Amino acid sequence: KAGVTQTPRYLIKTRGQQVTLSCSPISGHRSVSWYQQTPGQGLQFLFEYFSETQRNKGNFPGRFSGRQFSNSRSEMNVSTLELGDSALYLCASRRTGEGIEAFFGQGTRLTVV
Amino acid sequence: TQLLEQSPQFLSIQEGENLTVYCNSSSVFSSLQWYRQEPGEGPVLLVTVVTGGEVKKLKRLTFQFGDARKDSSLHITAAQPGDTGLYLCAGSGYQKVTFGTGTKLQVIP
Repeated sequence: KAGVTQTPRYLIKTRGQQVTLSCSPISGHRSVSWYQQTPGQGLQFLFEYFSETQRNKGNFPGRFSGRQFSNSRSEMNVSTLELGDSALYLCASRRTGEGIEAFFGQGTRLTVV
Repeated sequence: TQLLEQSPQFLSIQEGENLTVYCNSSSVFSSLQWYRQEPGEGPVLLVTVVTGGEVKKLKRLTFQFGDARKDSSLHITAAQPGDTGLYLCAGSGYQKVTFGTGTKLQVIP
C-alpha cells in the first residue's frame, strides 16, 4: 500500500512569487491536512480537507489556500511568498474526517530567498 | 483552544539510559498518538492510545494514557542512538487533531 506522497520534495522560490505543493493521500483516505513546521514554531495546522470541502482552518493569512480534488489529492498554494514562509510543509492523510491516526508524507522543504 | 505541552523540550542522554517524555493538556482527548520525526522527514506514527489508563509497549518504548485522558507519557528503556529524533504527541477530539510542542531527543553513543 503506497504511503502519502508529497511533491516536490524541495523548492526554492523568490520573495513575491507563488508556489503550489501537491499531496496524494493513501488510497481510500479522504481527509488531507496540511501543516507548516519551523524550528521556532513547531508543527502548525494550516487546514484540513475532507471530501473536497475545507473542514478546519488554522490561523494563517489568506495567502495560504488549498483545495482537494475528487480523487482526494490535495494542493496547497501560497501566494506573495515571504521569507518567513520558509519551512517544511507536511501533508497528513486520514481514513475519514474522524479517523484518529494521521499518516504523514515526507514533506516539501520550501526555501524563500 | 486545545493545547498540548510536552516536557522536556530537549533531552540529551547517553546510550543505555532511560528517559520519560510527558505530554500534558487541560483538555480531554478521545485518543492520543505518539510520533517520531527524523530531520527532513515527516512524522511516523508510533502508537495510538484510546482508553484512559491504557498502557502499550513497543519493544523498549512504553506509552501510557492518563486515567482522565488529558495526559500521556512515553518511557524509553536503554535508549539507543537510533531513538534520536523529535517526539510529538497528538490529541484527537472534536474533529480536530492537536499536536504537542515536541521533545527533541539526542542519544549519544
